[in-house]
Amino acid sequence: GQNIDQPTEMTATEGAIVQINCTYQTSGFNGLFWYQQHAGEAPTFLSYNVLDGLEEKGRFSSFLSRSKGYSYLLLKELQMKDSASYLCAVMDSNYQLIWGAGTKLIIKP
Amino acid sequence: EAGVVQSPRYKIIEKKQPVAFWCNPISGHNTLYWYLQNLGQGPELLIRYENEEAVDDSQLPKDRFSAERLKGVDSTLKIQPAELGDSAVYLCASSLSSSGGAGVNEQFFGPGTRLTVL
Repeated sequence: GQNIDQPTEMTATEGAIVQINCTYQTSGFNGLFWYQQHAGEAPTFLSYNVLDGLEEKGRFSSFLSRSKGYSYLLLKELQMKDSASYLCAVMDSNYQLIWGAGTKLIIKP
Repeated sequence: EAGVVQSPRYKIIEKKQPVAFWCNPISGHNTLYWYLQNLGQGPELLIRYENEEAVDDSQLPKDRFSAERLKGVDSTLKIQPAELGDSAVYLCASSLSSSGGAGVNEQFFGPGTRLTVL
């Protein structure tokens, strides 16, 4: 079966750095997405990786290792508004997006 | 540019009643998705349309759920009859296409409809 694993919840301090990991097992691979979802709101796109390596976009970076079935989202200079759930999703060989359950990130002052 | 529009935002019904949700995707987006999301979970795909064709409805409970996208633009998702377990947020998303790189795969989500079945 297809599976996406990510921690249920993480806590970090304002101004710090946090890394959210995601491991996956899917039927084929056509890219990995990270989405942010604030409570009661819809998911919004953060990043996309299809090749190995690090993609940097401002305070957020996303890393992919296809051989290890592993990705992480790195958030720097954390702000209170970064408190949200972060969803990892993998596009399989049928171009279907397989979603993880999300990691709830709690930022403390 | 307008985003994905969904209505209603909230719906409360009694079990065994019918309910319908409407979605208007971003203009020019060929692919439309209906998802169900329970609290603390990721979205679960119900159906995916490429234009007016349902290309993936394997997760749609067809005994009570139906969907249509007649002109390849807006779409309606219906539940009849609703059950207590159908209480969830129903999300609609759209993308330029469903294959290719991030530029066309990126899914844009509407605000969702929160359904409560009593």
